[in-house]
Amino acid sequence: DQQVKQNSPSLSVQEGRISILNCDYTNSMFDYFLWYKKYPAEGPTFLISISSIKDKNEDGRFTVFLNKSAKHLSLHIVPSQPGDSAVYFCAASDQGGKLIFGQGTELSVKP
Amino acid sequence: GAVVSQHPSRVICKSGTSVKIECRSLDFQATTMFWYRQFPKQSLMLMATSNEGSKATYEQGVEKDKFLINHASLTLSTLTVTSAHPEDSSFYICSAKAGSSNQPQHFGDGTRLSIL
Repeated sequence: DQQVKQNSPSLSVQEGRISILNCDYTNSMFDYFLWYKKYPAEGPTFLISISSIKDKNEDGRFTVFLNKSAKHLSLHIVPSQPGDSAVYFCAASDQGGKLIFGQGTELSVKP
Repeated sequence: GAVVSQHPSRVICKSGTSVKIECRSLDFQATTMFWYRQFPKQSLMLMATSNEGSKATYEQGVEKDKFLINHASLTLSTLTVTSAHPEDSSFYICSAKAGSSNQPQHFGDGTRLSIL
């Protein structure tokens, strides 16, 4: 039972354009959501998070949007840069603090 | 930012060997540490949660006698894969979290374990 889903395994974007990565979840008890970036053979690096009491959080080129009624969140990267190419994981947690990860989306930003 | 160090980064050993992996939070005190396993092209799967000074909580299907976790201090947790077999070959990643609930987990760089 996949509680956090990233339905797009890959995404290709031109440099300078916007990258939009999507994530859906099923558990309404999740109250904290995070995005991580991962390179091969490395651990995930924390990018940005959002609490369930908010619907938007912005940090530089990265913005996370949360739509609680749709149980959907998205990560916007603008402008996209070649160095953003990596696998992006969304994750969700409840009060217990355990993270449930999506399957990841591999982003490729082409020059 | 918060730094988590994981060692070793790669282990290749014979079947039946026990392997210890260390996870250290370098610049913060980690009240909770987590151990994950990742198979190729798949998501990170939580194996267990450990709090300093108490027994680890294992996820369903994870053998606690196979994967021994010790969280002896606020900066160190260890995972020992006992009597490892080829099916234990995987990418193991730890993470650490300071303080209460809404804090991000910070991850180590993982350990690639290959059992021959």
